[in-house]
Amino acid sequence: AQSVTQLGSHVSVSEGALVLLRCNYSSSVPPYLFWYVQYPNQGLQLLLKYTSAATLVKGINGFEAEFKKSETSFHLTKPSAHMSDAAEYFCAVTEHNQKVTFGTGTKLQVIP
Amino acid sequence: DGGITQSPKYLFRKEGQNVTLSCEQNLNHDAMYWYRQDPGQGLRLIYYSQIVNDFQKGDIAEGYSVSREKKESFPLTVTSAQKNPTAFYLCASTPPETGELFFGEGSRLTVL
Repeated sequence: AQSVTQLGSHVSVSEGALVLLRCNYSSSVPPYLFWYVQYPNQGLQLLLKYTSAATLVKGINGFEAEFKKSETSFHLTKPSAHMSDAAEYFCAVTEHNQKVTFGTGTKLQVIP
Repeated sequence: DGGITQSPKYLFRKEGQNVTLSCEQNLNHDAMYWYRQDPGQGLRLIYYSQIVNDFQKGDIAEGYSVSREKKESFPLTVTSAQKNPTAFYLCASTPPETGELFFGEGSRLTVL
């Protein structure tokens, strides 16, 4: 069975600082991995996805994530936080033709 | 532009009343999903449909019902049997083989 763990339900960073949001997954087969972003009272929007091509995946808004099989991790990073990055971020995993499993989300606060 | 439209955005109902949330997509996707979102719990799958006239229960289907009479439409009914219906409801669809979900803007249901 697949599962996702997001460490830290709330993360605060200063504007301009590194953003690091952690995601660990379990999967019995090579997974597809995703990061989504959600702004208040809106739906989720895809940031980036890993589908077994390059292990370093670049997404929108300057975010990227690295797939590390040995650590079963898919952490999301951004070198310099912007105020507009304040949102909730969800990591998700799926296996081929299976349902998507979401983590419980991490709310990112950016302090001016 | 292609996308998913959910309505209404906000809905207030009294206890004991059934309510139907609309979800329409023009992405030509076969698979559609309904998720429930509560603070700190991530997204939980209520129902999904992979083809017209067919649908399956997700992880928390009790107290909900759906229909899939047209490819474009996947309405969700929150029945009076749902014990705690106040939540944010998200509809999504996905093209085949990718696992990537496309979300609507959500419907916030408050039961008074």
